[in-house]
Amino acid sequence: SQQGEEDPQALSIQEGENATMNCSYKTSINNLQWYRQNSGRGLVHLILIRSNEREKHSGRLRVTLDTSKKSSSLLITASRAADTASYFCAPAGAGSYQLTFGKGTKLSVIP
Amino acid sequence: DTAVSQTPKYLVTQMGNDKSIKCEQNLGHDTMYWYKQDSKKFLKIMFSYNNKELIINETVPNRFSPKSPDKAHLNLHINSLELGDSAVYFCASSQVGQGAYEQYFGPGTRLTVT
Repeated sequence: SQQGEEDPQALSIQEGENATMNCSYKTSINNLQWYRQNSGRGLVHLILIRSNEREKHSGRLRVTLDTSKKSSSLLITASRAADTASYFCAPAGAGSYQLTFGKGTKLSVIP
Repeated sequence: DTAVSQTPKYLVTQMGNDKSIKCEQNLGHDTMYWYKQDSKKFLKIMFSYNNKELIINETVPNRFSPKSPDKAHLNLHINSLELGDSAVYFCASSQVGQGAYEQYFGPGTRLTVT
């Protein structure tokens, strides 16, 4: 399995602004997943994007995937205070059951 | 309905004791996992079970022993607890296929060893 590296490590924005966080990985993938963790809680799955997809939307979330650059980005539009959390990417290789999480991006949305 | 549940939510115990954490999922998933999240929030996989069989066992001390009585349950037993075992332990489950699918996490068990 491989670990994604999220960037930036921390991000602070005003409510209503957009938040963009990036993920880089090293080897080929079957899919890449994004998760959110609110303080003191378990991770919550947000979006899974397959290696043959370039963009995916879910509500205010937009994920892009560039397999040539081995990178992905998560955009949260019109952020809310409730979006304050840590966000993790998890690249998943073919045939692997395992997800390896990086250190995440800690997003703070200021009301 | 809780998809992945863990008990207890908090566990405070002394060094040298033996303790267990229980996990149950009602999603019908084939695979279950245990993760450890340390004070720096780094989430590390410990074990993975697929249909009651161990498929991943990272470099975890053998004081940690997972037990899966059926595919809906994966318990974690820890012997001779040490200070460094203090962390939050998360259980998760998923349905696997060609590559890992999305995982569903439990609420976590905060273990404090004094």
